[in-house]
Amino acid sequence: GAVVSQHPSRVICKSGTSVKIECRSLDFQATTMFWYRQFPKKSLMLMATSNEGSKATYEQGVEKDKFLINHASLTLSTLTVTSAHPEDSSFYICSADDTDYNSPLHFGNGTRLTVT
Amino acid sequence: AQTVTQSQPEMSVQEAETVTLSCTYDTSESDYYLFWYKQPPSRQMILVIRQEAYKQQNATENRFSVNFQKAAKSFSLKISDSQLGDAAMYFCAYKGDDKIIFGKGTRLHILP
Repeated sequence: GAVVSQHPSRVICKSGTSVKIECRSLDFQATTMFWYRQFPKKSLMLMATSNEGSKATYEQGVEKDKFLINHASLTLSTLTVTSAHPEDSSFYICSADDTDYNSPLHFGNGTRLTVT
Repeated sequence: AQTVTQSQPEMSVQEAETVTLSCTYDTSESDYYLFWYKQPPSRQMILVIRQEAYKQQNATENRFSVNFQKAAKSFSLKISDSQLGDAAMYFCAYKGDDKIIFGKGTRLHILP
């Protein structure tokens, strides 16, 4: 089945630094990728939708200058948390949509970010 | 490693009837969360219901309820009084210590 690889699975960084999270579709082309954030004991919160070759669409309340999303190819989307702060510590998960709507979204396994 | 299995790729139900979506999982963890998510054509993930593994009482949210059988590692979703707006993909998800694992989804069709 279709696989989405999300890397890294865990990252610890210091305040003020930037962290990049990659989301790759391994055996299909992902025209659309979604980035979610999950707070402890909360459900997934959609942060943004990225389409290959165009600017990401951010959900209300998500700072686009802080969470930079780049969907440069049909198999790779990246989320960069810029100037990270402890309140950015969270669980981030991506999911990818292939061109066949009848296929379910394929999800990465998530990245746990800890900002110290 | 944890796994989540949704054995029904597609299901259909008559409007106003009741339907049950199945989900089984495998884990060695004792504390975890289970979720059902709905994905309508907008593609946005919508949380339908959640269950904490340490709670024995089955979660209920309006027309949605679960049958959580921890020993059997089963977590089925029951939708009562099905409505046309319930048509969507439904994902069962397991949240353990480090990751969320989703099933492959069940596409639910509502027949008018």
